[in-house]
Order: sequence, then structure tokens, then C-alpha cells
Amino acid sequence: GAVVSQHPSRVICKSGTSVKIECRSLDFQATTMFWYRQFPKQSLMLMATSNEGSKATYEQGVEKDKFLINHASLTLSTLTVTSAHPEDSSFYICSARDLGRVYMDTQYFGPGTRLTVL
Amino acid sequence: KQEVTQIPAALSVPEGENLVLNCSFTDSAIYNLQWFRQDPGKGLTSLLLIQSSQREQTSGRLNASLDKSSGRSTLYIAASQPGDSATYLCAVWMDSSYKLIFGSGTRLLVRP
Repeated sequence: GAVVSQHPSRVICKSGTSVKIECRSLDFQATTMFWYRQFPKQSLMLMATSNEGSKATYEQGVEKDKFLINHASLTLSTLTVTSAHPEDSSFYICSARDLGRVYMDTQYFGPGTRLTVL
Repeated sequence: KQEVTQIPAALSVPEGENLVLNCSFTDSAIYNLQWFRQDPGKGLTSLLLIQSSQREQTSGRLNASLDKSSGRSTLYIAASQPGDSATYLCAVWMDSSYKLIFGSGTRLLVRP
């Protein structure tokens, strides 16, 4: 089946630093990827839609200058949390739609990245 | 604004029981509804997807139903096993854009 990877799986950083999270589709191409964040015991909240070759579309309330998204290729999207603060600590999950299976209504999720900002 | 609610928030049952997880949504104009499983600290695995024109989907011991008019979906798990222990999330699609609105999940523990 389709596989989506994320790197790193866990990251701990100091307040004020920037952290980059990668999302890769390993065996398929994805023109569209999605970034979600999940607080403990809460649901996933969509942050933004990442489009290959164009600017990301952010959901209301998500700071685009805070969460920089780059979708440089059909298999890679990156989320950079800039000047991270403790309130940015969360579980970040990406998902991707298989371009070659547009007839299938599904998307594949990565394993997530646990970010802890001290 | 679409809101998705899942009840109960947590459930503990002995192995072998049949159980029902509930999902409700406030806006019935959905495109699809999807059920996922999430293991602790992990990503999501899709279990079942019900298109808006369908009323149910089945996969093995899982059966999901959809009643759009009442804004409800249920996930039925037959003969539960300890390996079913996980958080179950339902999510609605409002259109074909693949953007999902998730419920807060039901944490299931199946005791041996």
C-alpha cells in the first residue's frame, strides 16, 4: 500500500529556534499534501493544504509566517515552525493524496512528528 | 461551521464484546464520511469510507453506517479483540477537496 513518511519522528528544541518537518510520499506522487496538528487527547486540526509548485493554502487562524510550507516536488512537502515557542508543542501529521489513484477517495497519513519546545 | 462529535470519549470492554462507536455532525451536507484508527503516538489508518450516497460499508469485523439526514454515523465492531485497542476517529469531507474535519475520537480499550 501507499506509504507516507515523516522526519523526524520526534524533535525537542529550545524556544526561539526553527524546526523543519519533512513529509514524503515513498511510492507515489502527490500534488497535494495536508498538514494537521493534534494536541493531547484532542482531534486533528487541518492547518494548511500544500500544493506542489504553488503557495500553500492556510486555514483560518493559522499564521502563514509562523508555519512555512514548501512543496518542492511531487513527493516532498516540508513544514517549518519558525521561532518555535512552548505553545507550538504538538503532534504534527501530514497526509497525501495519490495522484495516480484519483478515482479513489482516500488519502494516506504519515506517522506524525512529536514536537516539544522547551 | 461543521462540528463533529464522537461519543463516548473512552470505552473499556472485555474481549469478545460487540460494540458501537458514535459520530455526529452538525451540517448534513457532507461529501463523504471516513473512519480512521490511530494507535498511540502514530499516524492514522483508514478503516472505512462511506460516500454520501451510501448508507453503509463493511470490512471484516467492521461495519460503518451513515444517516446523512440525521447527521449520524456509527462504527460497529464485532467480536472485539485486544488488538482493536486504539483511538477511533471519524472525519467528514465537506467537498471533494480532501480536506477533513475530524471528531475528537473514541479511545477504545479491549481487555483480554
